Amino acid sequence: GESVGLHLPTLSVQEGDNSIINCAYSNSASDYFIWYKQESGKGPQFIIDIRSNMDKRQGQRVTVLLNKTVKHLSLQIAATQPGDSAVYFCAENRAGGGNKLTFGTGTQLKVEL
Amino acid sequence: DAGVIQSPRHEVTEMGQEVTLRCKPISGHNSLFWYRQTMMRGLELLIYFNNNVPIDDSGMPEDRFSAKMPNASFSTLKIQPSEPRDSAVYFCASSLDGVNTEAFFGQGTRLTVV
Repeated sequence: GESVGLHLPTLSVQEGDNSIINCAYSNSASDYFIWYKQESGKGPQFIIDIRSNMDKRQGQRVTVLLNKTVKHLSLQIAATQPGDSAVYFCAENRAGGGNKLTFGTGTQLKVEL
Repeated sequence: DAGVIQSPRHEVTEMGQEVTLRCKPISGHNSLFWYRQTMMRGLELLIYFNNNVPIDDSGMPEDRFSAKMPNASFSTLKIQPSEPRDSAVYFCASSLDGVNTEAFFGQGTRLTVV
């Protein structure tokens, strides 16, 4: 039969609005999480990270929230700009896995003018 | 630093041919990763080196795939013989040694096997 590609969730926001991208992780032993941004034709680019002993971390226009109880991670982008349009991936480092990151399937963010 | 450098950026080859992808990690980084990205499977880790030694190659799909890291500044991923289903974007990434450090990615090599 015909192969079907991954269906990336898509989030469409208006320029200037805030964006929230969510990610569920599977391994309760994961102790380090990263958000990456990937623009078309480029490699993933580091945005922000958080360790499991924290529940919130802020960067420039971005905030990552970690809820270990429900194994949920979110990325908040304030005042979303057209340049924020990309695919966003969460990645987890499973404890005992060295520096090996496991990536989620990604979310496509589209910023509408 | 110029970041992680991969070559070539694009490669088109015929089925059955050998393909070699190259990577220069960021100077001083001790860990190196090869990932493959496809629409079907997303980003998959193929193999991971630490201090030039392969640590985990459980993601390497078949014996047709092999990776080497002869020194701290160079790694190769080889596919022999290549097949159309190997068509993908292959990324190399590097990170500092230690626990919980982010990986920096190269621009990738887009491989097309016809």
